[in-house]
Amino acid sequence: AQSVTQLGSHVSVSEGALVLLRCNYSSSVPPYLFWYVQYPNQGLQLLLKYTTGATLVKGINGFEAEFKKSETSFHLTKPSAHMSDAAEYFCAVSGAGSYQLTFGKGTKLSVIP
Amino acid sequence: ETGVTQSPTHLIKTRGQQVTLRCSSQSGHNTVSWYQQALGQGPQFIFQYYREEENGRGNFPPRFSGLQFPNYSSELNVNALELDDSALYLCASSLEVAGGSGTDTQYFGPGTRLTVL
Repeated sequence: AQSVTQLGSHVSVSEGALVLLRCNYSSSVPPYLFWYVQYPNQGLQLLLKYTTGATLVKGINGFEAEFKKSETSFHLTKPSAHMSDAAEYFCAVSGAGSYQLTFGKGTKLSVIP
Repeated sequence: ETGVTQSPTHLIKTRGQQVTLRCSSQSGHNTVSWYQQALGQGPQFIFQYYREEENGRGNFPPRFSGLQFPNYSSELNVNALELDDSALYLCASSLEVAGGSGTDTQYFGPGTRLTVL
């Protein structure tokens, strides 16, 4: 069984500040981890994913995430927030041989000018 | 390259009715997954189709059913609609090998917003 917990349903940051969105997972198999972004009235867009190999993953739009097995975490960061980053962010997990994505409840990011 | 498209964009039905939602996969993709996203929640996996056969199912009752066609387009059918079926329904396509490895990226469509009154 797999599950995802995203800490903080709503995060506000100032433009230019660090963005940190937290994700912890539970998985009975080695996990594959994903971050998706959803803009209002749109579907989900993949930001980045971790499958195997390097634990620091770089994605689109300046985002990156680090897989920490000991902490069962996959937090998403961006050094400097832009207004265009305001959206909802979802962390998801799957596993070897598992086609199903299990999502967290999402974190809504607001960027204050 | 054409992305994942879904139709209709919005739909209003009454309790007890039946609904069909449609999805056109991204070119070259052989697998489609359907998710239900209730308001304020993350998407929940309904089922996946690989080469026209159901390849796995989440915790949804049998009144949720689907089809995948030879051109890899797909339908989600929901019978006997209930108020709790009101949600955004997302279709995602991917290119899977032998039923999926778990690592393949799923590309999502914009969704169909279903309202059940």
